[in-house]
Parts: sequence; C-alpha cells; structure tokens
Amino acid sequence: DAKTTQPPSMDCAEGRAANLPCNHSTISGNEYVYWYRQIHSQGPQYIIHGLKNNETNEMASLIITEDRKSSTLILPHATLRDTAVYYCIVGETSGSRLTFGEGTQLTVNP
Amino acid sequence: DTGVSQDPRHKITKRGQNVTFRCDPISEHNRLYWYRQTLGQGPEFLTYFQNEAQLEKSRLLSDRFSAERPKGSFSTLEIQRTEQGDSAMYLCASSFEGSRREKLFFGSGTQLSVL
Repeated sequence: DAKTTQPPSMDCAEGRAANLPCNHSTISGNEYVYWYRQIHSQGPQYIIHGLKNNETNEMASLIITEDRKSSTLILPHATLRDTAVYYCIVGETSGSRLTFGEGTQLTVNP
Repeated sequence: DTGVSQDPRHKITKRGQNVTFRCDPISEHNRLYWYRQTLGQGPEFLTYFQNEAQLEKSRLLSDRFSAERPKGSFSTLEIQRTEQGDSAMYLCASSFEGSRREKLFFGSGTQLSVL
C-alpha cells in the first residue's frame, strides 16, 4: 500500500472551512484515496473516498490533484463536533484492508 | 440502524489469562475486519473474513491470537496467555464486498487492559 504523509495537528475556527492536506506521492493507478476520522473513544468513521475526480458528499469534499500525488479534505463549515483525528489512506477498494497512519488531529476552536 | 456492535466495551485481565471479544457486524455485510489500536497510533490491521473464510492475517497476529467467524455472521477474537503488550483497543469493522464504493463501518471497540 502506498504511504501517506499528513501534518500531525491543525487548528480551525468554528464556522470556517477546514482544509486537511495529504501527500501520497507513491500512489498507484488502481488505489483510491480514503478519508476516515476518529472522535475520541469511538471507532473510525468513513468520510469520503475518490480515485481521480473530485468528490463531494454531505460531510465533506475531496480534492485530488491531477497527478494524484496529493489531496485535500475540505470540511466547509467546521463545528466543534468535527474535532477528531483525520486519517488519509490509500488502498484498493476490493479485497483490501486499510493501512492507517497517525493522522491529523484537527481541533476546532470556538 | 444497528451498526457494528462489540462486546465487552472494556476488559481488565491479569497477565497470563485468556480473553475473548465478540463482534456483531452489520447484518448484510459479508466482510469483517479486526484491527488493534494503541494510544496515539492509528488502527493496525490484524485479520479479515469474507463470510466464514479467514482470508488474510497480519504478522502482528501471533499464535496466541485466534479469530473465528463460524457462520459468517458474528466473529470472536481470542487472545491466549495475555501479555501486558496486548493492552490496546481492539476494533471490529464490517463492509459489503462488491460495492464500488466499499467502505468500512467500525464498532466502538473493546479496550483491553492487561495488568
């Protein structure tokens, strides 16, 4: 599995957009980019994933660069409940188990 | 909506004892995964099942660990002769293989403390 690099921590003001970067320069052509988050004392929660096109759902947007070597997760209007560790993972969709790194601790401040 | 359920939520045991955890996945999901997470680290893959077949095991899964999914529904993870290094959160996840947008649904985990 390709390795990802994320900043260990980020801060964001409540109501503002949170932009979480991820580098995955060794991603292969059949690997997707997944984002999960983990709120303290809970299991990880799926957010979004994509292959090469930008994706949007009710939780977030995922922007993948054209060369697919990096991506950004965007939470458009962060709330206090978005405080969590955010994991960027690359892997194949089928038959895959995901390899989590250490993620980014996002703290949303009032 | 019944998500992934894990039991117990917390387990305290003495070194050398055996422990067993249970995971009930989302009912229509055919894949079930076990992960382990220590403080400050991301979850580490241990093993996964497709239906009742155990398809992959991590090298982290020593011979003291065994997992089963006898009827392709719930799963158990047993640790024999526990060691202090086994103290961790044990997470179960399930998914439905065959969907192009396969995603994992995690339970809240079982926190194991080995004294």
